[in-house]
Amino acid sequence: AQSVTQLDSQVPVFEEAPVELRCNYSSSVSVYLFWYVQYPNQGLQLLLKYLSGSTLVKGINGFEAEFNKSQTSFHLRKPSVHISDTAEYFCAVTFLGAGGTSYGKLTFGQGTILTVHP
Amino acid sequence: GAVVSQHPSWVICKSGTSVKIECRSLDFQATTMFWYRQFPKQSLMLMATSNEGSKATYEQGVEKDKFLINHASLTLSTLTVTSAHPEDSSFYICSARPRGVVGPPSYEQYFGPGTRLTVT
Repeated sequence: AQSVTQLDSQVPVFEEAPVELRCNYSSSVSVYLFWYVQYPNQGLQLLLKYLSGSTLVKGINGFEAEFNKSQTSFHLRKPSVHISDTAEYFCAVTFLGAGGTSYGKLTFGQGTILTVHP
Repeated sequence: GAVVSQHPSWVICKSGTSVKIECRSLDFQATTMFWYRQFPKQSLMLMATSNEGSKATYEQGVEKDKFLINHASLTLSTLTVTSAHPEDSSFYICSARPRGVVGPPSYEQYFGPGTRLTVT
């Protein structure tokens, strides 16, 4: 079965510390991978995406993620977080059909609430 | 740019009534809009895909007669929850895919802020 799992529902961290938010997926087909951020009372904003090419993807606000095909993971990292990074983060996957086709359907993980403390 | 709005942002209705939620792309045209549902502390679940000028495609397990979707223009899609019941209480989120973006590798979707529905 195709699924997306975010292993941590909540991650507390102190300001300027590094953080890693974990995402694993289960699939027998190729995938496109995304991380979205949702600030309170706002819509989801795309942080970064992996479609092909280099497995290390850099996104906005200093975030990066690495696609590991053998471990079916796409963990999100930031070397030094700020108070303003406090938000909920969603990993999302598009599972591609035969021939790499899809119509943009996203499957989301459960979300990880990142709380940055001063 | 690429702003999507939803109206209302929250609504409370009585059991048995119908509620309409609007999703608008404010500064771009969207041939495809997606409707998601999010229960507390749970993931976003795709309900249906709405294409302008055609019938919506519903995900397995979603009642199309209960959740009516209309995508009559390139900037507006509506979700109507008919005969709402307390178990329909949830957070409904839409996203819009800009016109002209087709197939891989682009999957640009812009999300609305969501609508909180409470059915009493």
